[in-house]
Amino acid sequence: DAGVTQSPTHLIKTRGQQVTLRCSPKSGHDTVSWYQQALGQGPQFIFQYYEEEERQRGNFPDRFSGHQFPNYSSELNVNALLLGDSALYLCASTPRGGLGYGYTFGSGTRLTVV
Amino acid sequence: EDQVTQSPEALRLQEGESSSLNCSYTVSGLRGLFWYRQDPGKGPEFLFTLYSAGEEKEKERLKATLTKKESFLHITAPKPEDSATYLCAVQYGGATNKLIFGTGTLLAVQP
Repeated sequence: DAGVTQSPTHLIKTRGQQVTLRCSPKSGHDTVSWYQQALGQGPQFIFQYYEEEERQRGNFPDRFSGHQFPNYSSELNVNALLLGDSALYLCASTPRGGLGYGYTFGSGTRLTVV
Repeated sequence: EDQVTQSPEALRLQEGESSSLNCSYTVSGLRGLFWYRQDPGKGPEFLFTLYSAGEEKEKERLKATLTKKESFLHITAPKPEDSATYLCAVQYGGATNKLIFGTGTLLAVQP
């Protein structure tokens, strides 16, 4: 049973560029959340998608946007990249809206902004 | 302010030397407390979910407990392969299903 799949695994971008990260949730899961983890820190919640809509959002600027497709996969888009956006971006999935359930995380995408 | 605090930040143990990691939280309406293990460069791996004070869960050398204000992750007779960062997270509130994470405890077990 495949878990959460993220692509790409590593990415190097230049300041001001745009980036798209992709996530396929675990089989049977329909809710996808995105987290940003800076070095030495715990993951920070970016937003969550359920039924193709953004349901909750953390304290991240509008430069961060997302999408969920009918097959439950998701994309995270970041515009106008800043050096401070360098981090491990984690996708997590859970069943039925996520409330009260543990999350299954992918291995992440390591984004480096230079 | 709602927050999750883990201690210690780092812990070095000898193989077989048991110890505990702490996770304290200040949130209202706890719905669940989660423990994850994270290896370098990897995503967090789910260990336990605790829902109410007094609850305990065990898995191999790990045992998690929960009170109204904190959780402990007890590691009994650890082995070098237990070395990792252990993350605690909470889910709380009526309509909030995001996880709030602590900064983790980096555990190193030496042979």
